[in-house]
Amino acid sequence: GENVEQHPSTLSVQEGDSAVIKCTYSDSASNYFPWYKQELGKGPQLIIDIRSNVGEKKDQRIAVTLNKTAKHFSLHITETQPEDSAVYFCAAFSGSARQLTFGSGTQLTVLP
Amino acid sequence: NAGVTQTPKFQVLKTGQSMTLQCAQDMNHNSMYWYRQDPGMGLRLIYYSASEGTTDKGEVPNGYNVSRLNKREFSLRLESAAPSQTSVYFCASSEGLVRDYRYNEQFFGPGTRLTVL
Repeated sequence: GENVEQHPSTLSVQEGDSAVIKCTYSDSASNYFPWYKQELGKGPQLIIDIRSNVGEKKDQRIAVTLNKTAKHFSLHITETQPEDSAVYFCAAFSGSARQLTFGSGTQLTVLP
Repeated sequence: NAGVTQTPKFQVLKTGQSMTLQCAQDMNHNSMYWYRQDPGMGLRLIYYSASEGTTDKGEVPNGYNVSRLNKREFSLRLESAAPSQTSVYFCASSEGLVRDYRYNEQFFGPGTRLTVL
């Protein structure tokens, strides 16, 4: 089955700096890669996603890149703000397995 | 439009007790899911229902049963709770579960925090 590894597990940045979270996946059949943000005490919420025929996608301060050959994808947050502090999860969807497999999460802390 | 709702929010059980976690969605989604979240392990799929009338095992189904009661509701049952089932449980739904990525965005409920003593 699919295996998604996520790094780092914790990340602290100064307000205004950039943050990068990286994930790798194992199943070459995976074709959809969402990123979720989870605030304390709440369920995960989708913040951006990318499909396998696109290399990069951007939405204001958030961007995701995908390298299909290397089977890795990354989340980039620029000009970080304290409200960006949360746990971020990457995930990979395999149409053959019909499941979304999540990474283990990254606790991002933005220091004021 | 409440999205995905879960009850209860918190629950404490003794080993061997049973309980059912309830989930409902009002987005007319076809697919529903149950995950558990443990520290350092992300979210792991317990069971899912691709459409009304069908259920399938996920990554960690042992010790659980599910029922897709109708299109809106998907319940998770613990028949004989064990301390290893102490976790936060999330229900989610999506428009579909197909190869086309556009239908696979999953919407999550607020979670149920379960402690088994």
